[in-house]
Amino acid sequence: QQPVQSPQAVILREGEDAVINCSSSKALYSVHWYRQKHGEAPVFLMILLKGGEQKGHEKISASFNEKKQQSSLYLTASQLSYSGTYFCGTEVYEKLTFGTGTRLTIIP
Amino acid sequence: EAQVTQNPRYLITVTGKKLTVTCSQNMNHEYMSWYRQDPGLGLRQIYYSMNVEVTDKGDVPEGYKVSRKEKRNFPLILESPSPNQTSLYFCASSNTQAGNEQYFGPGTRLTVT
Repeated sequence: QQPVQSPQAVILREGEDAVINCSSSKALYSVHWYRQKHGEAPVFLMILLKGGEQKGHEKISASFNEKKQQSSLYLTASQLSYSGTYFCGTEVYEKLTFGTGTRLTIIP
Repeated sequence: EAQVTQNPRYLITVTGKKLTVTCSQNMNHEYMSWYRQDPGLGLRQIYYSMNVEVTDKGDVPEGYKVSRKEKRNFPLILESPSPNQTSLYFCASSNTQAGNEQYFGPGTRLTVT
């Protein structure tokens, strides 16, 4: 079952902040976040593991609530380069399932 | 350069004509997988492999086959393609599945007429 992402789409002005949410009905081992530009492959942003470990880019901020099986990705002071579709992936027993994505548009 | 390669990048074919999309990685990764991406549906896993000769179904395996005879290669086989398999396909690899970054190939856009 795919995790649920919200919102499905968001439009921001450059410099504004955004939060993208991801929730699952299953007990998770980890949550992955990727960004995809149009016509390109998804690119890794961050992994949040059960127990608190995080792996990823220093400029990306995210949280993982293990009890609620929810994760949030925080994009602050957005730049034009942040535009794209963001996918969360939830990992259960070494199986990774992606959500349907959140389309982020940054306008000057 | 560490990378995942896929071939072909674009393919137009006809219903029923068998085809293979190749995937190769040069990072000595154990875990490899195939996804298809369709508008509004995100990335859905077709098959995955945790090591050589070990493969398992993902969420949408119908109409696809895979093999993992070598660690670096994980081809996707469509024995009798149908129009509903028109999609964008991505291969990915990682050290192991658990808690590791997925490296994605550039994608293969397949059209079945």
